[in-house]
Amino acid sequence: AQSVTQLGSHVSVSEGALVLLRCNYSSSVPPYLFWYVQYPNQGLQLLLKYTTGATLVKGINGFEAEFKKSETSFHLTKPSAHMSDAAEYFCAVNNAGNMLTFGGGTRLMVKP
Amino acid sequence: NAGVTQTPKFQVLKTGQSMTLQCAQDMNHEYMSWYRQDPGMGLRLIHYSVGAGITDQGEVPNGYNVSRSTTEDFPLRLLSAAPSQTSVYFCASTIRTGGSSPLHFGNGTRLTVT
Repeated sequence: AQSVTQLGSHVSVSEGALVLLRCNYSSSVPPYLFWYVQYPNQGLQLLLKYTTGATLVKGINGFEAEFKKSETSFHLTKPSAHMSDAAEYFCAVNNAGNMLTFGGGTRLMVKP
Repeated sequence: NAGVTQTPKFQVLKTGQSMTLQCAQDMNHEYMSWYRQDPGMGLRLIHYSVGAGITDQGEVPNGYNVSRSTTEDFPLRLLSAAPSQTSVYFCASTIRTGGSSPLHFGNGTRLTVT
């Protein structure tokens, strides 16, 4: 079985501050890991993914995430928040099967 | 290039009514799936399909039926709607099975059951 935990359902940062969204997973095999972003009244869009290889993954809009197997984590970061980053972010895991499991989501708010 | 198209965008049903949520993709994707999104629970997989004629249950399949007669279409049927099925429904597809390919999502159907 696989599961995903996102710590903090709401995160608030000031514009220009570091963004850190936490994701921990449980998996019996090396997983595929994803971060998706959802803007209001839209579907989810892929931010970045880890499948194999380099553990530091760069995505769109300046986001990156690091796969840490020993910590079973895949935290999402961005050095400097923009107002346009306000959205809901979802971490997801797949054990090389056909079922993608999502975390509960973290709503990011950016204060001017 | 339309991607994944869902219809309708909004729907209100009375308890016991039936309806079909439509999903179509024009990317020749092998894998298609339906999720429901509820506050604080992320997205939960209802049903998925790895190709025409093949469907399987996800995490929360009860109360929903699916079929996949063509590569392009993957409708979701609610046979007797219940208030617990009030949710936002997303259809998603990807080019191949196996888990490493990211999903492409439609814009969702917001369903209210009264």
